[in-house]
Amino acid sequence: EAGVTQFPSHSVIEKGQTVTLRCDPISGHDNLYWYRRVMGKEIKFLLHFVKESKQDESGMPNNRFLAERTGGTYSTLKVQPAELEDSGVYFCASSPPGRINYGYTFGSGTRLTVV
Amino acid sequence: AQSVTQLDSQVPVFEEAPVELRCNYSSSVSVYLFWYVQYPNQGLQLLLKYLSGSTLVKGINGFEAEFNKSQTSFHLRKPSVHISDTAEYFCAVSVVTGGGNKLTFGTGTQLKVEL
Repeated sequence: EAGVTQFPSHSVIEKGQTVTLRCDPISGHDNLYWYRRVMGKEIKFLLHFVKESKQDESGMPNNRFLAERTGGTYSTLKVQPAELEDSGVYFCASSPPGRINYGYTFGSGTRLTVV
Repeated sequence: AQSVTQLDSQVPVFEEAPVELRCNYSSSVSVYLFWYVQYPNQGLQLLLKYLSGSTLVKGINGFEAEFNKSQTSFHLRKPSVHISDTAEYFCAVSVVTGGGNKLTFGTGTQLKVEL
């Protein structure tokens, strides 16, 4: 089965521009998560979708970040306008419906650099 | 809230030597515990997890971890490392109930295996 796919793998944008990250979860995985790792720090939770609904968005840093999950399939994370502190690696993960016993499958991440 | 501490940011070790990567956590409620590994240019991969039962958990690639509730620790061990184990290792926790399977990560430990 195909894994979790994220693109682009790298993105370099200027401060003030807009960037959209995309995540394609494993087919049939209702749960989709976004995480972010700022350089040298821990990986932090951003939000959790169950199908197309936002289950928990407590980790979203501010209203410059907008996440959507169209039809419960792929998800996008838009940053508008981007700031220097948004630089980092953005990870997406998915898991089947049910409990944590199944674990997550992570994508390879998108490295975002804001200059 | 939960927190995870990985005191060692880098651990150098010679090939075929044993290694222990330390993880301590703090939580007022019961948690599940995980170790993830990130090889260069790849996503996070689940190494092992503790959900319940035996406190000694065996994972992939010869790794094991022991859950110690009294010391709130979940240290990762391998009796003999290989060059291919060079990677970054992350300890993570998730609350047993009510957390939506959200993971709280430590800052990671870079394991460098040398000849």
